[in-house]
Amino acid sequence: QSALTQPASVSGSPGQSIAISCTGTSSDVGGYNYVSWYQQHPGKAPKLMIYDVNNRPSGVSNRFSGSKSGNTASLTISGLQAEDEADYYCSSHTSTNTLVFGGGTKLTVL
Amino acid sequence: EVQLVESGGGLVQVGGSLRLSCAASGFTFSGYWMSWVRQAPGKGLEWVAHIKTGGSENYYVDSVKGRFTISRDDGKKSLFLQMNSLRAEDTAVYYCARYGNWGREDYWGQGTLVTVSS
Repeated sequence: QSALTQPASVSGSPGQSIAISCTGTSSDVGGYNYVSWYQQHPGKAPKLMIYDVNNRPSGVSNRFSGSKSGNTASLTISGLQAEDEADYYCSSHTSTNTLVFGGGTKLTVL
Repeated sequence: EVQLVESGGGLVQVGGSLRLSCAASGFTFSGYWMSWVRQAPGKGLEWVAHIKTGGSENYYVDSVKGRFTISRDDGKKSLFLQMNSLRAEDTAVYYCARYGNWGREDYWGQGTLVTVSS
């Protein structure tokens, strides 16, 4: 049950695009199309942004998109806005029917 | 509107016990798996446990196996987490979440803080 690997921080200027990676193993990210991404602002509960690798819940901006290649999933945010500054976490279903999160990535909008 | 409201957090000594509750509304509670996820101060999210519809199957992170028990009462639309033999490293905000499908916590409560002190 090792955490998925995410970069500790990423940054970008308003209007730019950024990508956050999430690396696991064949027992989690690589083995299933059940990767989700969450946004968390300070002091708030996490919010689901992407599920099943590349699907957006109703109400989430289409500036957020997801993808996966092998054991690595990615979240891309295009047209960066100030309100996108937050912590982002990935999660994946695992071969033991548990859930594992990534360590989290702090996004700074310059 | 889906709502999840946690309660039961507080200050407890090392070795003590605490029972967290989560009241659900706005959806058919009995039709969903449910989860507990925690976040230590200044740290990332850690999945703790989830429970299948009907309560017949439970899954736990290794660090809480044998100490924590997840349960549900579908009649009361409530989720519980019984925490025994608490350790300092269990200090965290505990979130109740709806497990919408594999790999997906689609709705979250606001969390309840558990502080384990020696």
